[in-house]
Amino acid sequence: QKEVEQNSGPLSVPEGAIASLNCTYSDRGSQSFFWYRQYSGKSPELIMFIYSNGDKEDGRFTAQLNKASQYVSLLIRDSQPSDSATYLCAVRLPGGGNKLTFGTGTQLKVEL
Amino acid sequence: ETGVTQTPRHLVMGMTNKKSLKCEQHLGHNAMYWYKQSAKKPLELMFVYSLEERVENNSVPSRFSPECPNSSHLFLHLHTLQPEDSALYLCASSQDLTQNYGYTFGSGTRLTVV
Repeated sequence: QKEVEQNSGPLSVPEGAIASLNCTYSDRGSQSFFWYRQYSGKSPELIMFIYSNGDKEDGRFTAQLNKASQYVSLLIRDSQPSDSATYLCAVRLPGGGNKLTFGTGTQLKVEL
Repeated sequence: ETGVTQTPRHLVMGMTNKKSLKCEQHLGHNAMYWYKQSAKKPLELMFVYSLEERVENNSVPSRFSPECPNSSHLFLHLHTLQPEDSALYLCASSQDLTQNYGYTFGSGTRLTVV
């Protein structure tokens, strides 16, 4: 079982719609959860992190964490073509250090 | 300059060459990382440094040799690489090994081994 799983997509949504990206993780002791956005040919850029169960909102982005079900999701409201990118889910596993384990990413396409 | 800077942006090398990737961070961070990103695969952690001391070596072949002369600079020395080593190599930094605010990544070096 992969430590962090994401659907590779592509996920296509029309402009203005809500895009929902999901991620599951295997280690129940995982502590912190991150969403990175990566444009083609560019490096990952941190857009949100969440530690506690529930929702965390930042502008058009909402991260949702459910530790009991071991999933974390990212909602993007009012999706724009500029949101088209690959979204990487990352998990900080228990144990020492600040090592992040990444999923393979979900490609999002926002269509006009 | 600000953030995390990586050079070169692109590198093509033969299997018998020796080259080095450079990473410099201007964030005052104490931890630095090397990750490898191959197509269709998740980012793979290679090395972790904290205050210039290597704290993680993730079963990386010896043809990759990291060096961290100070907390702002990180190098990845490459020699006798294989074509399957072609990938995007990403450097990242964080405040230290305890904080939970994620990494700041550099722009990466796109390596092609021919």
